[in-house]
Amino acid sequence: LAKTTQPISMDSYEGQEVNITCSHNNIATNDYITWYQQFPSQGPRFIIQGYKTKVTNEVASLFIPADRKSSTLSLPRVSLSDTAVYYCLVGDGNYGQNFVFGPGTRLSVLP
Amino acid sequence: EAGVTQFPSHSVIEKGQTVTLRCDPISGHDNLYWYRRVMGKEIKFLLHFVKESKQDESGMPNNRFLAERTGGTYSTLKVQPAELEDSGVYFCASSQDLGGSEDGYTFGSGTRLTVV
Repeated sequence: LAKTTQPISMDSYEGQEVNITCSHNNIATNDYITWYQQFPSQGPRFIIQGYKTKVTNEVASLFIPADRKSSTLSLPRVSLSDTAVYYCLVGDGNYGQNFVFGPGTRLSVLP
Repeated sequence: EAGVTQFPSHSVIEKGQTVTLRCDPISGHDNLYWYRRVMGKEIKFLLHFVKESKQDESGMPNNRFLAERTGGTYSTLKVQPAELEDSGVYFCASSQDLGGSEDGYTFGSGTRLTVV
């Protein structure tokens, strides 16, 4: 199973763009990269998923370089409500066990 | 559309007792997963149902844990007898397609289990 490495924590201010990078050197050919957000006392919530290049939705963008050994989640103009833990998951998604949760990145958005 | 519902939200039981957690997935989702986070650790996979069949239960910690999904709808996770190390938050997730489709897996809010 591919292991991921993310910063344990990050601080930002309201209105700034936040980029969280995840390393996944052992990513397999069939693996997708998926990011989840988790607030206290809630389950993880899907943000975005990609395989290569760039993916954008109404919430975030995901940048994946050609070698796919890393990915960057970009949150535009964060607000206080974006304070949460962000998980980078790598797997082929065929079974839940292929999504290995690491400690995630605790993002704190300050006023 | 209703999300994934878990019941109860909290449960406090004594060591040696039995507890049953319930998960109602999103209607029509064939795939149902159980995860848990024990204190201070990361979220870990427990098992995966496809409809009523256990597709993979490699993450189940021991035979004190029994998961069922009769009829392929809701699922229960029974812990019997509960031990102190079972304390943690148990999450359920569901998806229509393997791989979570474009919206990923939908997680419930979890059941916080405390064994005293």
